[in-house]
This record gives sequence, structure tokens and C-alpha cells, in this order.
Amino acid sequence: QVQLVQSGAEVKKPGASVKVSCKASGYTFTSYGISWVRQAPGQGLEWMGWISAYNGNTNYAQKLQGRVTMTTDTSTSTAYMELRSLRSDDTAVYYCARLIVVVPAAPDYWGQGTLVTVSS
Amino acid sequence: DIQMTQSPSTLSASVGDRVTITCRASQSISRWLAWYQQKPGKAPKLLIYTASNLESGVPSTFSGSGSGTEFTLTISSLQPDDFATYYCQQYQNYPYTFGQGTKLDIK
Repeated sequence: QVQLVQSGAEVKKPGASVKVSCKASGYTFTSYGISWVRQAPGQGLEWMGWISAYNGNTNYAQKLQGRVTMTTDTSTSTAYMELRSLRSDDTAVYYCARLIVVVPAAPDYWGQGTLVTVSS
Repeated sequence: DIQMTQSPSTLSASVGDRVTITCRASQSISRWLAWYQQKPGKAPKLLIYTASNLESGVPSTFSGSGSGTEFTLTISSLQPDDFATYYCQQYQNYPYTFGQGTKLDIK
């Protein structure tokens, strides 16, 4: 069965970086992409971007350009999302989700989420 | 970016009721729309894709319709497990934007 298992909660100081991992299993990793979505406490869902696990192509939300980097390690079927220069409003649960990338598609399987808290 | 607007923001209903949630896009998105259900502390769950296709394992009490800029999610007979927050998402253009959510609670 398809599973996405994310790394554990993180507490970071403003200005620091965080790197969240998302380990995939149950499907051919390189046949899909991984999207990242975040959710601030009590708020809605925000699309951050995606990465193709096939060729590494990425597309990032404009507001995060320059601060976010998404990567994959095909040898371990793991995707990573690094966010730099953290601010308090980056405090959120970060989700990874599987995504078909050759045609428009909605993310289908989701990870359990990783809480990132930014606080001095 | 394409703006997605859901209505209502909150909805109170009873078990057995039929409820409808609306999602409007700021420009045409054809049928590239998905609906998700989210419960507190859990990841979103895909219910419907391409406006009206039911994801595998989702009860047939859920249905979706619409195209262009106006879409609806209907639950034909509410079950206790259906009380949650629902989000629409367009995936015609990046960024794949979400509606603000509709919280469905028990009357």
C-alpha cells in the first residue's frame, strides 16, 4: 500500500533552516512527483510547490521563491523540503503528498504531517 | 494566482441531512478541481478529483459537479463520520490553490 512517512516535529529559531523528509513506499517513486502543502495553526491549506521524482523538475510558490528547496533521493525513495530564513509565520504543519506530474492531477496520498515551530 | 472561494465557511447540519458546499474559481479551471476532507490533527483525504470522479474507497454519498468557475460538493445523507472540514483545490495552474475551507459541524 502507498505510504508517505514524514520526519518528526522540529523547533527552530527565527532565521534558521529546517529540512523535512518524506519517505515513500508502496509505489514506483520515480513515476510520480511529491508536492508540499503547509497549514498554519487553525488556518487553511497552502500549496508550497512540487518536485518531479523522475527528473527533479520543480515548481515553487512565488511567495516562497528563494527560501525553499525541494529535492529527492531516488536511492531511498525520499523527498526533502528545506525552508530557510525561518520566520514566526512559517510555524505550520508541513505535509508531503504524491502527485502525478505528466498530466494535471490532485495529490492523492498524503504524509502524516510534520509540525515545524519557529520561536525564539 | 487563481483564487478559490468556498461557501459557506461553516455549515451546521444533522445526521441524515443533504448538504452542498460551493467552490468558485476566479477564472475558468475547466474541470481541474479536487475536494478534500480533513479531520482535526489529520492529513487531508482526497474525496473527488476532476470535479466529479470519486476517489477509490470514498462512499457514494459524496458527489461532485461543476465546470468552469463553479463547483459543488454534495453529501446526500450525512453520516457521523462526515463532520469535518472540506477544501476545494484547483490544479489547472500553478500554484495549485485551495479554498479557505468549509467546516461542517453537528447541529
